[in-house]
Amino acid sequence: KQEVTQIPAALSVPEGENLVLNCSFTDSAIYNLQWFRQDPGKGLTSLLLIQSSQREQTSGRLNASLDKSSGRSTLYIAASQPGDSATYLCAVRNISNFGNEKLTFGTGTRLTIIP
Amino acid sequence: DARVTQTPRHKVTEMGQEVTMRCQPILGHNTVFWYRQTMMQGLELLAYFRNRAPLDDSGMPKDRFSAEMPDATLATLKIQPSEPRDSAVYFCASGFRGAKNIQYFGAGTRLSVL
Repeated sequence: KQEVTQIPAALSVPEGENLVLNCSFTDSAIYNLQWFRQDPGKGLTSLLLIQSSQREQTSGRLNASLDKSSGRSTLYIAASQPGDSATYLCAVRNISNFGNEKLTFGTGTRLTIIP
Repeated sequence: DARVTQTPRHKVTEMGQEVTMRCQPILGHNTVFWYRQTMMQGLELLAYFRNRAPLDDSGMPKDRFSAEMPDATLATLKIQPSEPRDSAVYFCASGFRGAKNIQYFGAGTRLSVL
């Protein structure tokens, strides 16, 4: 059974700093991995999706990397801004679920950017 | 601006009452997902549909929960009878199979069962 872990559960950093969020998963036979953002009282917004054949994806100040063999992904946020404050979740889709679009989510990292 | 619409946004009910949550997926999307989010368990998939047919409801307690898609513009999640442990935020998401399978989430229904 796939398990997805995100550590730390909460992180506070001063505005302007670069930061890294971590995601680890136990079953490396994944189809893809996604990073989501969740604002308080809101649903999830997909930020980046990395296919299993890819090593990284970039969107603006965000860069997500994937190391399947070690079961790890990181989300790098450059030049952090107060608007980046939110909970960030990673989710994996297993190859065993190829015909099934089920995602297994981590419990998230609550990020606070201090002005 | 296409979005997934969920109603109601908040629901407070007493134990034993029936609860129905509704979701309007983005027009043209052919997959619909129901998730439950709690502090203890995080985000869990309850059920999902493709082309209105249920494909996976293994995460849903069958004795009290039911999910349906009466038509392509409406998905419902029903709890009968509700229990305090059902208190959570319920999210609906929709997507289009093939488009990288990205799921678009609604704002959720916050359910409190007293």
